[in-house]
Amino acid sequence: DIQMTQSPSSLSASVGDRVTITCRASLNIIRYLNWYQQKPGKAPELLIYGASNLQGGAPSRFSGSGSETDFTLTISSVQPEDSATYYCQQSYMTPLTFGGGTKVEIK
Amino acid sequence: EVHLVESGGDLVQPGGSLRLSCAASEFTFSYYEMNWVRQAPGKGLEWVSYIGSTDDTTRYADSVKGRFTISRDNAKNSLYLQMDSLRVEDTAVYYCARDRKRDFGSGSTFDPWGQGTLVTVSS
Repeated sequence: DIQMTQSPSSLSASVGDRVTITCRASLNIIRYLNWYQQKPGKAPELLIYGASNLQGGAPSRFSGSGSETDFTLTISSVQPEDSATYYCQQSYMTPLTFGGGTKVEIK
Repeated sequence: EVHLVESGGDLVQPGGSLRLSCAASEFTFSYYEMNWVRQAPGKGLEWVSYIGSTDDTTRYADSVKGRFTISRDNAKNSLYLQMDSLRVEDTAVYYCARDRKRDFGSGSTFDPWGQGTLVTVSS
C-alpha cells in the first residue's frame, strides 16, 4: 500500500499569513495527488486535483504543486474561513490512501 | 446541483449487519464510478470501496474485504454498501463520493461527498 505522510499535523496562523502543508508518498505517484478541505461536522470538499489543478469554486489563494513523491498545498493569504483540516489523497492505485490530515487554526 | 444523500446508519451489535444507501441526484449517475469512504470519530479518512459505472468492477480496502459488498442500481440512481460481520472498529461516519476519474483523468478523485451516515458498532 502507498503510505501518505502529511506535515505538520497542526499549525496556527494569523490572517494574511502564507501557509504551506506538505504531503509525501511512499513511492512515485507521478501527479496523482488530490487535496481536500474538511470543516468541523462537515463532509470533505475537493480543493486540488492532479497535484495542481484548482477545483471549480475553490478560492484562488489555494494552490498545489509537486510531483513523484513530494507535494505541497499552499494558502497564499490565509483567511478565517480556511480554519479546517486538510487531507492529501493518492489516486495512483488502490487501495486509495489519505494522509493523516493537517489541522489549520487561525489565531 | 449535484447531490448525494446517505442513509441507513444505525447502532448495531458486533457481528451484526447493516445496509447503507446513497441516493444520487442532478447528474447522470450511470456514467460515474462511485466510492465509499469512512471516518472514525475524531480520526482521519479511510477509503472503503469502489465500484465501476456498470457494476462490473469492485475494489475493497483490506480491512473490509470479505465482509462488505458494494453495489449499485443505476435505474434507481442509488449506491449501496452491505456491511456484514461488523466489528467495533467499523464505527465511523460513512460517506459516499462520486469518482471524477473520467472527468479529470487524475485517478479516483472524490467529488462531491454526501453528508455522511453514522454507523456505531457496540454491544
